[in-house]
Amino acid sequence: DVVMTQSPLSLPVTLGQPASISCRSSQSLLHADENTYLNWFQQRPGQSPRRLIHKVSDRDSGVPDRFSGSGSGTDFTLKISRVEAEDVGVYYCMQGTHWPPTFGQGTRLEIK
Amino acid sequence: EVQLVESGGGVVRPGGSLRVSCVASGFTFEDFAMSWVRQAPGKGLEWVSGVNWNGASTVHADSVKGRFTISRDNARNSLSLQMNSLRADDTALYYCARGGEIDYCTGGSCYIPDYWGQGTLVTVSS
Repeated sequence: DVVMTQSPLSLPVTLGQPASISCRSSQSLLHADENTYLNWFQQRPGQSPRRLIHKVSDRDSGVPDRFSGSGSGTDFTLKISRVEAEDVGVYYCMQGTHWPPTFGQGTRLEIK
Repeated sequence: EVQLVESGGGVVRPGGSLRVSCVASGFTFEDFAMSWVRQAPGKGLEWVSGVNWNGASTVHADSVKGRFTISRDNARNSLSLQMNSLRADDTALYYCARGGEIDYCTGGSCYIPDYWGQGTLVTVSS
């Protein structure tokens, strides 16, 4: 299985400051169809996960533009340009290129 | 509005069986692959099982293969997961999740969740 490794696992951030989460895969996520199926999910406390980003950098409907995704191959990043209180929660990367789909361990974002 | 509502969770003894279900609304159910994803208490996410739009193709994680069966009823907009030979490490919140749309996804990418339900808790304990 493809191993997804996130860092950091805990991310204290001051309100209004930027935040960045890294995700590395044990194999390239470039699919034979030339897409890269790397996704980012947000799970707020007590809530179900919500997809933020698909195919590396495409924001899902309703996701604020302060969230952005980038990367290629095995290295990917989720950036929040200015952290707001509602961004507190756990963020997961997930790959859908290789079988089976696998998630990272999660990064807990908290307000400093 | 896409809605996914799970039911059927509960407490079951090791070795026992349980069936959890999900009813979907707000989209054309038969046009989308569907998945189950679970989350053990205080832990991360684990993809469990997936089914394509017409139910002809099903896939399972190695951890549940041979014990769990996913199925769907497009006439009833419903998704089910039959869980047999349950173990303590199957204890988790089980989420129903919508996958990719027919003609717009390929292979494993069809099982990438976009919308998730609220989950149903399965506890395996003696």
